[in-house]
Amino acid sequence: EVKLVESGGTLVQPGGSLTLSCVASGFTFTTYTIHWLRQAPGKGLQYVSGINTSGGTTVFADSVRGRFTISRDNSKNMVSLQMDSLKTEDTAVYYCARGTRSLVVVGHFDSWGRGNLVTVSS
Amino acid sequence: SYELSQPLSAAVALGQTATITCEGENIGSKNVHWYQQKPDQAPVLVIYRDVNRPSGIPERFSGSNSGNTATLTISRAQAGDEADYYCHVWDTTSSVVFGGGTKLTVL
Repeated sequence: EVKLVESGGTLVQPGGSLTLSCVASGFTFTTYTIHWLRQAPGKGLQYVSGINTSGGTTVFADSVRGRFTISRDNSKNMVSLQMDSLKTEDTAVYYCARGTRSLVVVGHFDSWGRGNLVTVSS
Repeated sequence: SYELSQPLSAAVALGQTATITCEGENIGSKNVHWYQQKPDQAPVLVIYRDVNRPSGIPERFSGSNSGNTATLTISRAQAGDEADYYCHVWDTTSSVVFGGGTKLTVL
Protein backbone atom coordinates (compact mmCIF):
# COMPACT_ATOMS: atom_id res chain seq x y z
CA GLU A 1 0.00 0.00 0.00
CA VAL A 2 1.32 3.42 -0.98
CA LYS A 3 1.59 5.65 2.06
CA LEU A 4 2.75 9.23 2.53
CA VAL A 5 2.93 10.73 6.02
CA GLU A 6 3.53 14.42 6.65
CA SER A 7 4.83 15.90 9.87
CA GLY A 8 6.17 19.16 11.25
CA GLY A 9 3.15 21.39 10.99
CA THR A 10 2.60 23.84 13.84
CA LEU A 11 1.91 27.46 14.75
CA VAL A 12 4.66 29.85 13.70
CA GLN A 13 4.97 33.62 13.74
CA PRO A 14 5.11 35.71 10.58
CA GLY A 15 8.67 35.89 9.35
CA GLY A 16 9.52 32.59 10.98
CA SER A 17 10.72 29.31 9.56
CA LEU A 18 9.44 25.77 9.58
CA THR A 19 10.36 22.45 8.00
CA LEU A 20 7.80 19.89 6.91
CA SER A 21 8.71 16.27 6.31
CA CYS A 22 7.06 13.59 4.20
CA VAL A 23 7.98 9.95 4.67
CA ALA A 24 6.92 7.51 1.97
CA SER A 25 6.43 3.76 1.98
CA GLY A 26 4.87 1.03 -0.10
CA PHE A 27 6.54 1.86 -3.41
CA THR A 28 9.95 2.34 -5.02
CA PHE A 29 10.60 5.86 -3.79
CA THR A 30 13.47 6.59 -6.16
CA THR A 31 11.32 6.25 -9.27
CA TYR A 32 8.72 8.92 -8.51
CA THR A 33 8.65 12.69 -8.25
CA ILE A 34 7.26 14.03 -4.99
CA HIS A 35 5.28 17.23 -4.57
CA TRP A 36 3.86 19.55 -1.94
CA LEU A 37 0.43 21.11 -2.35
CA ARG A 38 -1.58 23.17 0.08
CA GLN A 39 -5.11 24.19 0.87
CA ALA A 40 -5.90 27.32 2.84
CA PRO A 41 -8.91 27.06 5.17
CA GLY A 42 -12.10 26.90 3.12
CA LYS A 43 -10.19 27.36 -0.15
CA GLY A 44 -9.11 25.25 -3.11
CA LEU A 45 -5.97 23.33 -3.91
CA GLN A 46 -2.73 25.14 -4.67
CA TYR A 47 0.54 23.72 -5.96
CA VAL A 48 3.61 24.55 -3.89
CA SER A 49 6.69 22.64 -5.02
CA GLY A 50 8.02 19.45 -6.57
CA ILE A 51 11.27 17.51 -6.79
CA ASN A 52 12.53 14.99 -9.30
CA THR A 53 13.69 11.46 -8.55
CA SER A 54 17.33 12.31 -7.92
CA GLY A 55 16.68 15.55 -6.08
CA GLY A 56 18.63 17.53 -8.63
CA THR A 57 15.69 19.41 -10.14
CA THR A 58 13.02 21.34 -8.30
CA VAL A 59 10.02 23.50 -9.19
CA PHE A 60 8.20 26.10 -7.15
CA ALA A 61 5.04 28.13 -7.39
CA ASP A 62 5.67 31.84 -7.88
CA SER A 63 4.12 32.56 -4.48
CA VAL A 64 6.81 30.61 -2.62
CA ARG A 65 9.85 30.78 -4.90
CA GLY A 66 12.83 32.20 -3.04
CA ARG A 67 11.27 31.47 0.37
CA PHE A 68 10.75 27.70 0.25
CA THR A 69 13.28 24.95 -0.44
CA ILE A 70 12.52 21.33 -1.24
CA SER A 71 14.91 18.41 -0.84
CA ARG A 72 14.81 14.64 -0.69
CA ASP A 73 16.79 11.90 1.02
CA ASN A 74 16.35 8.73 -1.00
CA SER A 75 18.08 6.67 1.69
CA LYS A 76 15.28 7.56 4.09
CA ASN A 77 12.36 7.75 1.60
CA MET A 78 11.83 11.29 2.76
CA VAL A 79 11.11 14.70 1.23
CA SER A 80 11.44 17.93 3.19
CA LEU A 81 9.99 21.37 2.61
CA GLN A 82 11.95 24.15 4.28
CA MET A 83 9.74 27.23 4.61
CA ASP A 84 11.35 30.58 5.44
CA SER A 85 10.00 34.13 5.73
CA LEU A 86 6.55 32.73 6.36
CA LYS A 87 3.54 34.95 5.76
CA THR A 88 0.02 34.76 7.13
CA GLU A 89 -1.16 33.76 3.66
CA ASP A 90 0.96 30.59 3.91
CA THR A 91 -1.51 29.28 6.49
CA ALA A 92 -2.87 26.05 5.06
CA VAL A 93 -3.00 22.29 5.25
CA TYR A 94 0.08 21.06 3.43
CA TYR A 95 -0.16 17.79 1.52
CA CYS A 96 2.63 15.61 0.25
CA ALA A 97 1.73 13.78 -2.96
CA ARG A 98 3.30 11.28 -5.32
CA GLY A 99 3.66 12.46 -8.88
CA THR A 100 4.68 10.75 -12.07
CA ARG A 101 8.23 9.84 -13.01
CA SER A 102 9.16 13.10 -14.70
CA LEU A 103 9.31 16.70 -13.57
CA VAL A 104 9.64 18.03 -17.12
CA VAL A 105 5.86 17.90 -17.38
CA VAL A 106 4.19 17.60 -13.99
CA GLY A 107 1.49 14.97 -14.35
CA HIS A 108 -1.19 13.74 -11.99
CA PHE A 109 -0.83 13.15 -8.26
CA ASP A 110 -1.97 9.62 -7.61
CA SER A 111 -1.41 9.31 -3.87
CA TRP A 112 -1.69 11.95 -1.17
CA GLY A 113 -0.81 12.13 2.49
CA ARG A 114 -3.42 13.11 5.04
CA GLY A 115 -2.03 16.63 5.32
CA ASN A 116 -0.43 18.72 8.04
CA LEU A 117 -1.66 22.10 9.24
CA VAL A 118 0.67 25.07 9.21
CA THR A 119 -0.63 28.20 10.91
CA VAL A 120 1.23 31.47 10.48
CA SER A 121 -0.01 33.96 13.02
CA SER A 122 1.21 36.33 15.70
CA SER B 1 -1.41 32.95 -16.83
CA TYR B 2 -3.55 29.95 -17.62
CA GLU B 3 -6.84 29.69 -15.77
CA LEU B 4 -9.40 26.93 -15.22
CA SER B 5 -13.02 27.70 -14.48
CA GLN B 6 -15.39 25.35 -12.66
CA PRO B 7 -18.94 25.96 -11.46
CA LEU B 8 -19.04 26.54 -7.72
CA SER B 9 -21.72 23.93 -7.21
CA ALA B 10 -23.64 21.15 -8.89
CA ALA B 11 -26.51 18.96 -7.84
CA VAL B 12 -27.69 15.53 -8.93
CA ALA B 13 -30.56 13.30 -7.90
CA LEU B 14 -29.66 9.99 -6.36
CA GLY B 15 -29.10 7.44 -9.11
CA GLN B 16 -28.89 10.02 -11.87
CA THR B 17 -25.89 11.33 -13.83
CA ALA B 18 -23.79 14.27 -12.68
CA THR B 19 -21.58 16.30 -14.98
CA ILE B 20 -18.94 18.73 -13.76
CA THR B 21 -17.19 20.96 -16.25
CA CYS B 22 -13.75 22.53 -16.30
CA GLU B 23 -13.20 25.30 -18.82
CA GLY B 24 -9.91 26.62 -20.10
CA GLU B 25 -8.52 27.99 -23.32
CA ASN B 26 -7.84 25.07 -25.65
CA ILE B 27 -7.94 22.69 -22.69
CA GLY B 28 -8.49 19.88 -25.18
CA SER B 29 -4.79 20.06 -26.02
CA LYS B 30 -3.80 19.39 -22.41
CA ASN B 31 -4.01 16.39 -20.09
CA VAL B 32 -6.72 16.93 -17.49
CA HIS B 33 -6.82 15.21 -14.13
CA TRP B 34 -9.69 15.14 -11.63
CA TYR B 35 -9.67 14.80 -7.84
CA GLN B 36 -12.43 14.11 -5.35
CA GLN B 37 -12.14 15.60 -1.88
CA LYS B 38 -14.54 14.77 0.92
CA PRO B 39 -14.73 16.96 4.04
CA ASP B 40 -11.62 16.79 6.21
CA GLN B 41 -9.97 14.27 3.90
CA ALA B 42 -7.13 14.40 1.43
CA PRO B 43 -7.92 14.60 -2.29
CA VAL B 44 -8.24 11.35 -4.22
CA LEU B 45 -7.39 11.02 -7.90
CA VAL B 46 -10.46 9.81 -9.81
CA ILE B 47 -9.50 10.50 -13.46
CA TYR B 48 -6.07 11.08 -15.00
CA ARG B 49 -5.04 12.10 -18.49
CA ASP B 50 -8.59 12.94 -19.51
CA VAL B 51 -10.21 9.51 -19.46
CA ASN B 52 -8.23 7.06 -17.30
CA ARG B 53 -9.48 5.67 -13.99
CA PRO B 54 -6.98 4.69 -11.28
CA SER B 55 -7.30 1.28 -9.75
CA GLY B 56 -10.16 1.20 -7.25
CA ILE B 57 -12.19 4.01 -8.81
CA PRO B 58 -15.64 2.81 -9.92
CA GLU B 59 -16.51 2.67 -13.60
CA ARG B 60 -19.27 5.16 -12.81
CA PHE B 61 -16.59 7.85 -13.01
CA SER B 62 -15.57 8.91 -16.51
CA GLY B 63 -13.96 11.87 -18.19
CA SER B 64 -13.80 13.62 -21.52
CA ASN B 65 -11.89 16.56 -22.91
CA SER B 66 -12.33 18.56 -26.10
CA GLY B 67 -12.08 22.12 -27.26
CA ASN B 68 -12.32 24.47 -24.32
CA THR B 69 -14.12 22.12 -21.93
CA ALA B 70 -13.20 19.03 -19.95
CA THR B 71 -15.98 17.10 -18.24
CA LEU B 72 -16.17 14.71 -15.32
CA THR B 73 -19.23 12.47 -15.46
CA ILE B 74 -20.52 10.47 -12.53
CA SER B 75 -23.18 7.92 -13.46
CA ARG B 76 -25.69 6.43 -11.05
CA ALA B 77 -24.75 8.97 -8.41
CA GLN B 78 -24.57 7.77 -4.83
CA ALA B 79 -24.69 9.63 -1.53
CA GLY B 80 -21.01 8.82 -1.08
CA ASP B 81 -20.17 10.84 -4.21
CA GLU B 82 -20.95 14.09 -2.38
CA ALA B 83 -17.65 15.94 -2.36
CA ASP B 84 -15.63 18.74 -3.85
CA TYR B 85 -14.18 17.99 -7.26
CA TYR B 86 -11.11 19.70 -8.71
CA CYS B 87 -9.69 19.64 -12.20
CA HIS B 88 -5.94 20.03 -12.78
CA VAL B 89 -3.71 20.61 -15.79
CA TRP B 90 -0.09 21.38 -16.44
CA ASP B 91 0.59 24.48 -18.52
CA THR B 92 3.95 25.38 -20.05
CA THR B 93 3.85 28.92 -18.69
CA SER B 94 1.77 28.59 -15.54
CA SER B 95 3.00 25.16 -14.38
CA VAL B 96 0.43 23.30 -12.26
CA VAL B 97 -3.04 24.83 -12.43
CA PHE B 98 -6.13 23.80 -10.49
CA GLY B 99 -9.72 24.76 -11.06
CA GLY B 100 -11.49 26.43 -8.17
CA GLY B 101 -13.45 23.30 -7.34
CA THR B 102 -17.08 22.23 -7.63
CA LYS B 103 -19.14 21.16 -4.66
CA LEU B 104 -21.37 18.26 -5.70
CA THR B 105 -24.58 17.67 -3.79
CA VAL B 106 -26.51 14.42 -4.17
CA LEU B 107 -30.22 15.01 -3.58
